Amino acid sequence: GQNIDQPTEMTATEGAIVQINCTYQTSGFNGLFWYQQHAGEAPTFLSYNVLDGLEEKGRFSSFLSRSKGYSYLLLKELQMKDSASYLCAVFPRAYQLIWGAGTKLIIKP
Amino acid sequence: SQTIHQWPATLVQPVGSPLSLECTVEGTSNPNLYWYRQAAGRGLQLLFYSVGIGQISSEVPQNLSASRPQDRQFILSSKKLLLSDSGFYLCAWTTGTYNEQFFGPGTRLTVL
Repeated sequence: GQNIDQPTEMTATEGAIVQINCTYQTSGFNGLFWYQQHAGEAPTFLSYNVLDGLEEKGRFSSFLSRSKGYSYLLLKELQMKDSASYLCAVFPRAYQLIWGAGTKLIIKP
Repeated sequence: SQTIHQWPATLVQPVGSPLSLECTVEGTSNPNLYWYRQAAGRGLQLLFYSVGIGQISSEVPQNLSASRPQDRQFILSSKKLLLSDSGFYLCAWTTGTYNEQFFGPGTRLTVL
């Protein structure tokens, strides 16, 4: 079967750093995505990892370890607008993206 | 630049009624198109995808169907809605097999 696990909810303080973890067990692996989804809106693409290591894009970084079936999204210098759900998704095979349930991130002043 | 449209934004339908949701993409040719459903507090469930006109792959057996009558048009339909069909329906497009997907604004469907 295919399974992606993320924490349901996390809380962090404005200006701080937060790490959101994702573990996956899938029949294949062709890349891992992170998306941001604000309440009531569509997901928007944040990052993509296909090889082991860290990918950095401004305040956001994403890490992948294929041998461990593990990824994390690191958000630095948190802003109130970062309050959203963060979705982890994996391509086990062509065209078919499998999604985690998402981590709701609450930012407090 | 590419744009993806979905309508309607919100829909309330009685059980047993038909459904038609439309998605169109602008600014790209031969996109791969996807229909997802998201239940409250859940991840996205892939319903259908299409790699070309008239080509539909179904991921989950259900009372929904999809069609792609034109290159950049993707339609989700049902003849008789069930209560369990309520959710947030999202259309997405991409190019290539493993590339990032771009989503339309979604349709929030409530079946009563």
